[in-house]
Amino acid sequence: DTAVSQTPKYLVTQMGNDKSIKCEQNLGHDTMYWYKQDSKKFLKIMFSYNNKELIINETVPNRFSPKSPDKAHLNLHINSLELGDSAVYFCASSRGQGATGELFFGEGSRLTVL
Amino acid sequence: EDQVTQSPEALRLQEGESSSLNCSYTVSGLRGLFWYRQDPGKGPEFLFTLYSAGEEKEKERLKATLTKKESFLHITAPKPEDSATYLCAVQGIRGQNFVFGPGTRLSVLP
Repeated sequence: DTAVSQTPKYLVTQMGNDKSIKCEQNLGHDTMYWYKQDSKKFLKIMFSYNNKELIINETVPNRFSPKSPDKAHLNLHINSLELGDSAVYFCASSRGQGATGELFFGEGSRLTVL
Repeated sequence: EDQVTQSPEALRLQEGESSSLNCSYTVSGLRGLFWYRQDPGKGPEFLFTLYSAGEEKEKERLKATLTKKESFLHITAPKPEDSATYLCAVQGIRGQNFVFGPGTRLSVLP
């Protein structure tokens, strides 16, 4: 039973299109994250939600819009895709804001913008 | 601002050749330091959490240690299946974010 699952695993799309990535966790965690891993493998935080509330919003273009319908789900919608958006996007979850505990990651969604 | 650096960027070892990976960090109050392993095409997989200087954790051929400024991941008699990228991350006392280092890409040759 997958703890953190993301779909789709691969997206290939044209510049200017809009795409969404979905994430679900069955760990009962309160906090969920989106990380971006670029071609140099650097993992950078994009957003964090705690119990459906946005708590971290790093310097990310407003073409990226996260949505958390409930604490087990965190989706990422990207408008007007650009070449530089090509990367692997990871969803992760942890026990909660202020709690110490490791991140659990999904398998990643590889986005390629042509 | 919390920061994490890792060295070396890449490391090639012969099977059985022990070595160490370094993670240096600056954080305004450490809540936890984490080591992850990432295989190609996969998400990072949790290995260890260290909370305070002097702490050590072990798992099979891996041992992680922590000082006030850095952490080491010691690999004893590595095997080819230990080949992966090893990531270090810190969580500060504000607890809102995990900051990752750039990783060390380890290759163990048979």
